[in-house]
Amino acid sequence: DQQVKQNSPSLSVQEGRISILNCDYTNSMFDYFLWYKKYPAEGPTFLISISSIKDKNEDGRFTVFLNKSAKHLSLHIVPSQPGDSAVYFCAASENFGNEKLTFGTGTRLTIIP
Amino acid sequence: DTAVSQTPKYLVTQMGNDKSIKCEQNLGHDTMYWYKQDSKKFLKIMFSYNNKELIINETVPNRFSPKSPDKAHLNLHINSLELGDSAVYFCASSQALGGPEFSDTQYFGPGTRLTVL
Repeated sequence: DQQVKQNSPSLSVQEGRISILNCDYTNSMFDYFLWYKKYPAEGPTFLISISSIKDKNEDGRFTVFLNKSAKHLSLHIVPSQPGDSAVYFCAASENFGNEKLTFGTGTRLTIIP
Repeated sequence: DTAVSQTPKYLVTQMGNDKSIKCEQNLGHDTMYWYKQDSKKFLKIMFSYNNKELIINETVPNRFSPKSPDKAHLNLHINSLELGDSAVYFCASSQALGGPEFSDTQYFGPGTRLTVL
């Protein structure tokens, strides 16, 4: 039973354009959401997060949007750069804590120069 | 200076063997975790320890036993290895502050690729 879903296994975007990665969840108890970025042969690194009391959080080129009614979040990267090429994992947790994260299967983003 | 380290990075072994993966964090965090990333790239939590005490224990065969000698270390012992145990295992740590403006998160090690033949 996959509670966090990333339905696009891969995405290719031209350099300089906007990259939009999507994530859906089924557990209504999730109230804290994170995006991780993973390069090959490395562990995931934290990118950006959002709690359910907000619908948008921005950090430089990265913005995460949360639509609680649709149980959907998205990560926008603008402008996309070649170094953004990686696998992006969406994760969620309950009770605003991060003790137990549930991850999606990831989306491989490729930025085309 | 590595924050979360795991050894070994690669582990190839025969079915039925017993093996251990070590994890150390130098971040002063109170909480450590083990995750398994399977062949479908699904990253799933296995265990969580807070100050050497088991907090989360997901549905994992009891052939897997975490051991935390101190809060900077969380080792994973696997007995009677099976083919299905082949995966990448990630260790992580966090300060686990909580709260709606929570900005802390989990820091992951580089992973250990376990191959059971």
